[in-house]
Amino acid sequence: GQNIDQPTEMTATEGAIVQINCTYQTSGFNGLFWYQQHAGEAPTFLSYNVLDGLEEKGRFSSFLSRSKGYSYLLLKELQMKDSASYLCAVKDSNYQLIWGAGTKLIIKP
Amino acid sequence: SAVISQKPSRDICQRGTSLTIQCQVDSQVTMMFWYRQQPGQSLTLIATANQGSEATYESGFVIDKFPISRPNLTFSTLTVSNMSPEDSSIYLCSTSPGDGTEAFFGQGTRLTVV
Repeated sequence: GQNIDQPTEMTATEGAIVQINCTYQTSGFNGLFWYQQHAGEAPTFLSYNVLDGLEEKGRFSSFLSRSKGYSYLLLKELQMKDSASYLCAVKDSNYQLIWGAGTKLIIKP
Repeated sequence: SAVISQKPSRDICQRGTSLTIQCQVDSQVTMMFWYRQQPGQSLTLIATANQGSEATYESGFVIDKFPISRPNLTFSTLTVSNMSPEDSSIYLCSTSPGDGTEAFFGQGTRLTVV
């Protein structure tokens, strides 16, 4: 079956750095996405990786290793507004998105 | 990119009734997806809606309970039929305009069944 694993919850301090990991086992691979979702709102797109390596976008970076079925989202200079759930999703061989359960990130002052 | 307008944003409904959720996209898209997200959980795909054909439902979801319409390439509706409190959830429509691009979401419909 298809499976995406990510931690349920993480806590970090304002101004610090946090890394949210995601491992996946899917039938085929056509890219990995990270989304941010604030409570009661729809997910918003953060990053897309289809090749191995690091993609940097401002305070957020995402890394992919296809051979290891592994990705992480790195958030730097954390702000209180970064408190949200972070969803990892993989497009499988049918270009269908398979979603992880999400990681709830709590930022403390 | 794609902008999706979804309505209603929230509703409180009596059990046994039905609610139809609408999504309008600002561009033509081939596939639209309907998701359910229960509190504290991730997205569960209900069905994929293609224009001109019947929707494809995921395991655990049936057309009688969640009928879907897709009359053209910019619009789709999902009906939650004969509602029960267990249907209380957030419902989201989504589209991915191209194979290699991200998914775009409507604002979501927060449904409470009492």
